[in-house]
Amino acid sequence: GDSVTQTEGLVTVTEGLPVMLNCTYQTAYSDVAFFWYVQYLNEAPKLLLRSSTDNKRTEHQGFHATLHKSSSSFHLQKSSVQLSDSALYYCALSASSGSWQLIFGSGTQLTVMP
Amino acid sequence: EAAVTQSPRNKVAVTGGKVTLSCNQTNNHNNMYWYRQDTGHGLRLIHYSYGAGSTEKGDIPDGYKASRPSQENFSLILELATPSQTSVYFCASGDGTGGARQDTQYFGPGTRLLVL
Repeated sequence: GDSVTQTEGLVTVTEGLPVMLNCTYQTAYSDVAFFWYVQYLNEAPKLLLRSSTDNKRTEHQGFHATLHKSSSSFHLQKSSVQLSDSALYYCALSASSGSWQLIFGSGTQLTVMP
Repeated sequence: EAAVTQSPRNKVAVTGGKVTLSCNQTNNHNNMYWYRQDTGHGLRLIHYSYGAGSTEKGDIPDGYKASRPSQENFSLILELATPSQTSVYFCASGDGTGGARQDTQYFGPGTRLLVL
């Protein structure tokens, strides 16, 4: 079945430095969509980015991600992190034919240190 | 942005008791979902619904039932609660824009359930 892998459970970065959160996937479908959700402490997850176009960069709130079907990846990046970026980040895939289901990765906790 | 509310926000239940978690959305979304969130597992889909009167099993439906009596309301029912069901439960609704495979989901604030 479809799956999403986020290899880092915890990422710690110093404020002002770049960060990349990894997301890879497995799916038998070619027509797919990808999402990054962000969850701040004691809040609900909310959509950060979404994309379904191969090799097209998508940006929001200083974060960007590019879907690369050749490597089955949708990594999230930011060139200069802020303290307020500390949160739990989920990568998700939607690929099941005829279904609206999202398949989430296990999440990456990003901690930004001063 | 979509408004999704959940009640109760916190719940303590006893093993073997019945628990009902409620979710309400005010944006006329067709799709609604129930997830549980556990450390190391992320968000896992329990049940979902495409509209009033419909419920579908997600990835981990065992021990849970769902009810969608109206467009706005979607409940999750634990008939016989067990300690393994201690978790944070999120409800979400989806607007279905961008096509069937690009449903943007809007989450409620969550319910913390402790089963003793």
